Amino acid sequence: AAGVIQSPRHLIKEKRETATLKCYPIPRHDTVYWYQQGPGQDPQFLISFYEKMQSDKGSIPDRFSAQQFSDYHSELNMSSLELGDSALYFCASSPMAGRGGANVLTFGAGSRLTVL
Amino acid sequence: SQQGEEDPQALSIQEGENATMNCSYKTSINNLQWYRQNSGRGLVHLILIRSNEREKHSGRLRVTLDTSKKSSSLLITASRAADTASYFCATDAGLAGGGNKLTFGTGTQLKVEL
Repeated sequence: AAGVIQSPRHLIKEKRETATLKCYPIPRHDTVYWYQQGPGQDPQFLISFYEKMQSDKGSIPDRFSAQQFSDYHSELNMSSLELGDSALYFCASSPMAGRGGANVLTFGAGSRLTVL
Repeated sequence: SQQGEEDPQALSIQEGENATMNCSYKTSINNLQWYRQNSGRGLVHLILIRSNEREKHSGRLRVTLDTSKKSSSLLITASRAADTASYFCATDAGLAGGGNKLTFGTGTQLKVEL
């Protein structure tokens, strides 16, 4: 079965550079989520999109932006990178659960960003 | 984490023993879920319990939920070395119907030794 695809898997950047992460959700999943997980930390919610519109926003720095495209893939753009941005970035997707339903997320394998 | 606190933070047991992990949260929830993460890998959904449920089973997993205490526990019975991973609880505090973010707890690192 198709899973959530993230690219690149690994990325090394210098301080103040820009990085773009891509996420391809499971087909027919209409909601995409981005999470950041620092070393030894729990995943922190950054932002989500439903039907290409931003649906919720968490602790995403102003230096970061994201969007979801017409084919439902999403990109997380990170500018003016700082050392503290080094982390695993996960994308997850879910289908709309329907009335009374519950939201189960399927995660990608993550993109590991290292800022030097 | 702002929502979920888990204990213990680390747990080491022998194969065949049971492992119990606890999670506490702060806000009202629609449901609570448990995820597993192997080192440096993506999170995998294990089990979901709704706010109107008290206990749920799936294979060797048993989850309890006490909404009055805002706490949940995950029990893995007859553990195996392959169960070695980090386990996170995650709460869905949004409206039923999906599309809501999950807020993760701090996680328990489980090590199952042969």
